[in-house]
Amino acid sequence: EPEVTQTPSHQVTQMGQEVILRCVPISNHLYFYWYRQILGQKVEFLVSFYNNEISEKSEIFDDQFSVERPDGSNFTLKIRSTKLEDSAMYFCASRDPGQGQFEAFFGQGTRLTVV
Amino acid sequence: AQTVTQSQPEMSVQEAETVTLSCTYDTSENNYYLFWYKQPPSRQMILVIRQEAYKQQNATENRFSVNFQKAAKSFSLKISDSQLGDTAMYFCAFMKQRSGNTPLVFGKGTRLSVIA
Repeated sequence: EPEVTQTPSHQVTQMGQEVILRCVPISNHLYFYWYRQILGQKVEFLVSFYNNEISEKSEIFDDQFSVERPDGSNFTLKIRSTKLEDSAMYFCASRDPGQGQFEAFFGQGTRLTVV
Repeated sequence: AQTVTQSQPEMSVQEAETVTLSCTYDTSENNYYLFWYKQPPSRQMILVIRQEAYKQQNATENRFSVNFQKAAKSFSLKISDSQLGDTAMYFCAFMKQRSGNTPLVFGKGTRLSVIA
């Protein structure tokens, strides 16, 4: 069964460093998303992406965040200068825009720890 | 803006019993989708069940079923014959039905413990 894969599963970084979280969406999906879950809290939307541009972003997604689809398979989230409060689980999701297809499939998440 | 409310932070149920998790939402949209996602200790988000708002019939998936009340904006999840593997966080989620790349809006979750 096709699945969304994320790497790494766990990333530890020093405050102020740049991190790149990687995702490989399901191959025929065209809608991509990043969500964040601070430990013990709800899942929050960060950004959606389609046709090589951002469709929508939340107020959390400020100038320190960026997304990119550098090739035909990867979808990345970059955090330029990490802060302690960026520590969270980051989920990538993808969706097929086809008729009748509306559920999003999630990767297993990347746990980011900023120290 | 849409909001999703899960009023039960934690619940527990005996193995083989039935449990119902509550979810209410607020929206001015007429067409939308509703979902229940399960997050076990592994932290992966797994789709449990989905419902299209235009469908009156409640969705079912094996032991999982929903009670969708559109007028009341209520979308509860019933788990029958609970199993130890059902222990997880359960998130209710809403998505507008529009062309384009609409995101999910999640509730805060209900932590379900199934007790042997």
